[in-house]
Amino acid sequence: GENVEQHPSTLSVQEGDSAVIKCTYSDSASNYFPWYKQELGKGPQLIIDIRSNVGEKKDQRIAVTLNKTAKHFSLHITETQPEDSAVYFCAASRRTSGTYKYIFGTGTRLKVLA
Amino acid sequence: DTEVTQTPKHLVMGMTNKKSLKCEQHMGHRAMYWYKQKAKKPPELMFVYSYEKLSINESVPSRFSPECPNSSLLNLHLHALQPEDSALYLCASSPGPGLTYEQYFGPGTRLTVT
Repeated sequence: GENVEQHPSTLSVQEGDSAVIKCTYSDSASNYFPWYKQELGKGPQLIIDIRSNVGEKKDQRIAVTLNKTAKHFSLHITETQPEDSAVYFCAASRRTSGTYKYIFGTGTRLKVLA
Repeated sequence: DTEVTQTPKHLVMGMTNKKSLKCEQHMGHRAMYWYKQKAKKPPELMFVYSYEKLSINESVPSRFSPECPNSSLLNLHLHALQPEDSALYLCASSPGPGLTYEQYFGPGTRLTVT
């Protein structure tokens, strides 16, 4: 079945450094790739997304890149801050039964050290 | 406003109890979702409602019964649950089929089955 691999599972960086999280998906029909940030005790929050007709998207300190040929997409966070500490989930999505069903990655716990 | 609200925030129930979880959104979204999330795992899709009709049931046991009374409200009725059903239950909504793809999550209900 479809799956999304996410690496690394944990990541510690010094404040101000960059963080990169990578995902690989298996379903070539996937055409939408969101990234979620989940803080302790809260629901996932959509932070950035990319569609299959775009190779890169940036929003202030965060950016996402997509390589459709290799079925890879990555989240890049620059100038990390302690408040970036959270669990990050990637997802791959395609239209199924009239809606968009997400296949989530296994998550990356990011810790930004002050 | 991208707010999805869920009540209650916490719920403790016995295996013979009947309880309900409630989710509400006022963004005019036409698709609503229930997810289950165990600790340190990604959300797992349970049900999808599209235009108030059940469109996806991910082979969820019948002790979980979803209901969509109107386009803003989604309920999850619980009956005869097992301790392994203890988890964070997340509701999400999205604009709807044929529209944009992003899903917005609520804060979740932390369920403990004793």
